[in-house]
Amino acid sequence: NAGVTQTPKFRILKIGQSMTLQCAQDMNHNYMYWYRQDPGMGLKLIYYSVGAGITDKGEVPNGYNVSRSTTEDFPLRLELAAPSQTSVYFCASSGPTDYGYTFGSGTRLTVV
Amino acid sequence: GENVEQHPSTLSVQEGDSAVIKCTYSDSASNYFPWYKQELGKRPQLIIDIRSNVGEKKDQRIAVTLNKTAKHFSLHITETQPEDSAVYFCAVNQAGTALIFGKGTTLSVSS
Repeated sequence: NAGVTQTPKFRILKIGQSMTLQCAQDMNHNYMYWYRQDPGMGLKLIYYSVGAGITDKGEVPNGYNVSRSTTEDFPLRLELAAPSQTSVYFCASSGPTDYGYTFGSGTRLTVV
Repeated sequence: GENVEQHPSTLSVQEGDSAVIKCTYSDSASNYFPWYKQELGKRPQLIIDIRSNVGEKKDQRIAVTLNKTAKHFSLHITETQPEDSAVYFCAVNQAGTALIFGKGTTLSVSS
C-alpha cells in the first residue's frame, strides 16, 4: 500500500516548456487534489476532483490543466511554464467520508 | 470563496510551555477543521481534526477547540517538546469538499 505517489520529485524547466506532474493513489479514494506551496506560505488549491471524469478549479488554476480518467490517477499539466510557477507541488487524496488528506511527497519544480 | 486567517505567523516557546494557534474562517457552511504539521522538506501530516458537531477534541498533548458561532478554532499544544518545532497549518473545507489552508505558523520550541 503505497498511498499517494508523485513523480518526479525534482524538475527544472525552462520558460515556455511544458510538463506533466504525475499523481497516483492506491487507496480507492474518490477525492484528489493538487496544491502548490511557495516558500514560507501555505498551500494553495490548484484543482481538485471528486471522481473520475469530474474536475473543478481551485484558488489558483491559471496556467494549469488536469484530467481524471481513472480513480487512481490525477495528472497536473503545466503549459508554457513561467517563473511564477516555481513551487513545491503536492498531490493529496481523501475518501468520501473520511475528510483527512493523504499527501504525496511533493514535486519541487524550478522554472528558469 | 472561503477565507482562512491564521495567527500568529511565528511562535517561540520554552520547552514545557503551552502553545496556542488560532484560525478564523468566513464560510458558516464549513464543517471540517483539521490541523497539519509540516517539518522542513516533508509533506504535511494530519495531527488532529474536529467536525462542526463537536466543540473540543483532545489527543494526548494536543487539542483543538471550535467556536462555530464566532467562526474560529484553535490548536493547543501542552508540555511542548523540541520535536514539536515545525510549521502548523489549519484548514477548512470549502463547500464540503476541498480544504483551504491558512498561511501557517512556525513554532520553535527551545530547550
